[in-house]
Amino acid sequence: QLHLQESGPGLVKPSGTLSLTCSVSGGSITSSSYYWGWIRQPPGKGLEWIGSTYYSGYTYFNPSLKTRVAISVDTSKNQFSLKLNSVTAADTAVYYCVRDVTVTGYFDYWGRGTLVTVSS
Amino acid sequence: QSVLTQPPSVSGAPGQRVILSCSGSSSNIGTGNDVHWYQQVPGTVPKLLIYGNNNRPSGVPDRFSGSRSGTSASLAITGVQAEDEADYYCQSYDNNLSGYVFGTGTKVTV
Repeated sequence: QLHLQESGPGLVKPSGTLSLTCSVSGGSITSSSYYWGWIRQPPGKGLEWIGSTYYSGYTYFNPSLKTRVAISVDTSKNQFSLKLNSVTAADTAVYYCVRDVTVTGYFDYWGRGTLVTVSS
Repeated sequence: QSVLTQPPSVSGAPGQRVILSCSGSSSNIGTGNDVHWYQQVPGTVPKLLIYGNNNRPSGVPDRFSGSRSGTSASLAITGVQAEDEADYYCQSYDNNLSGYVFGTGTKVTV
């Protein structure tokens, strides 16, 4: 059974950089059929796709976040990571890492999520 | 802001049929991109409920069904149960944005 687990600081200062890592177990991140992505959910609000990456390093992002986001992959550790810079209070959210079944384009496995608060 | 619009809330008595709508445009649902649905029980992780417009992952009860027509999609719960109280989100791909988009979400009350 595939398992995804987010890790990283739960508190980030305004104007700083949010950094999270997703560790994948029970399957390989180099599987050819899948991308790996990040989705966030501000408290009490809806879901927002941030971006997705393929194990080769190809990435694609939500246009509204594209200038602030980077997603990278470490195949040796079966992990992928998110960096979001110049954060503000509006970036406070639960961040989920997900498996992205590309072509059909849905998210079938989700991590449990981690709350990141942007505050001084 | 979401490009897929859903009614904020829908309610129904146990056993009734409840239908949730998801309204898109010619750059997402209307261009033939698949629609997927997620269920999020309060305080839990979203769960894939329907993929590829009308396919259920293993373990999802057959009272849940999806459809797509034109620029809209629908999720039907036939014989809604108390355990179905949750937030439901539709999701698709938008060609203009070159990325995935979610609906605004619908809260189902039983």
